[in-house]
Amino acid sequence: GAVVSQHPSRVICKSGTSVKIECRSLDFQATTMFWYRQFPKQSLMLMATSNEGSKATYEQGVEKDKFLINHASLTLSTLTVTSAHPEDSSFYICSAQKLGTRAYNEQFFGPGTRLTVL
Amino acid sequence: TQLLEQSPQFLSIQEGENLTVYCNSSSVFSSLQWYRQEPGEGPVLLVTVVTGGEVKKLKRLTFQFGDARKDSSLHITAAQPGDTGLYLCAGAYSGAGSYQLTFGKGTKLSVIP
Repeated sequence: GAVVSQHPSRVICKSGTSVKIECRSLDFQATTMFWYRQFPKQSLMLMATSNEGSKATYEQGVEKDKFLINHASLTLSTLTVTSAHPEDSSFYICSAQKLGTRAYNEQFFGPGTRLTVL
Repeated sequence: TQLLEQSPQFLSIQEGENLTVYCNSSSVFSSLQWYRQEPGEGPVLLVTVVTGGEVKKLKRLTFQFGDARKDSSLHITAAQPGDTGLYLCAGAYSGAGSYQLTFGKGTKLSVIP
C-alpha cells in the first residue's frame, strides 16, 4: 500500500494566527514529500519540495518565511502557514514518494486540508 | 518550464458513451501519471506510463503514452456515473534533486445517468 494522511482535514483560523498541517506516510518511508495548493476549480500548484533532513526547495513566488516546511523524518512533513491572511485560504495537499522505488516518479497524495482564514 | 495542456476542460456525457481526454506538451517527460480527484479529496493515482507508445488498460480505462513521450490520452469506454470526477494528467521531470510533477489543468467529467 501507499497511504498518506493529512491532519487536520479542515481548519478555520483568525487572520494573523499560524496553522500547522501534518503529512504522514503511514505504510512506507518517503524520501521526498511535496506540498501543493489548489484553488477552487483549478489544478494543483506545487509550492515546495521537501527532502528528509534538508531544507525545502520552494517554487518561484512561494514565500519560504510564510510557508515553513519541516521534514524531520521519513514519514512526516509539516507545513506551517505563518501569520495567515484570508488570501491564504485554500486546499493544501501533500504527496510522498516511496523510498527505494524505481524512478517512475509516482506520488501518493494525502486527502488534503481545507484552510479557511477569517 | 514544462507545460501540460489538457483537453477538454469540461465534459458532460450520457451514461454508456465513450470519451477521450488528451494531455499534450512540447517537453519530453520521463513518465506520465493520470490521477482522479473527487471534490474535497486528494488525487488518486490511476496509472503510470513510462515507455513511448505504451498502452495500459484499467478495466474500462485505456491509457496511452505517445511515442515521443510528449503526450498521452485517456479513453473511457461505456462511461458510468461512478466515473464522474476530475481527471488530472501529470508529467514527471527531474528538478530540485528529485522528480517533480507538472499537472495539467484537469478535465472535469460528469456522467449523467
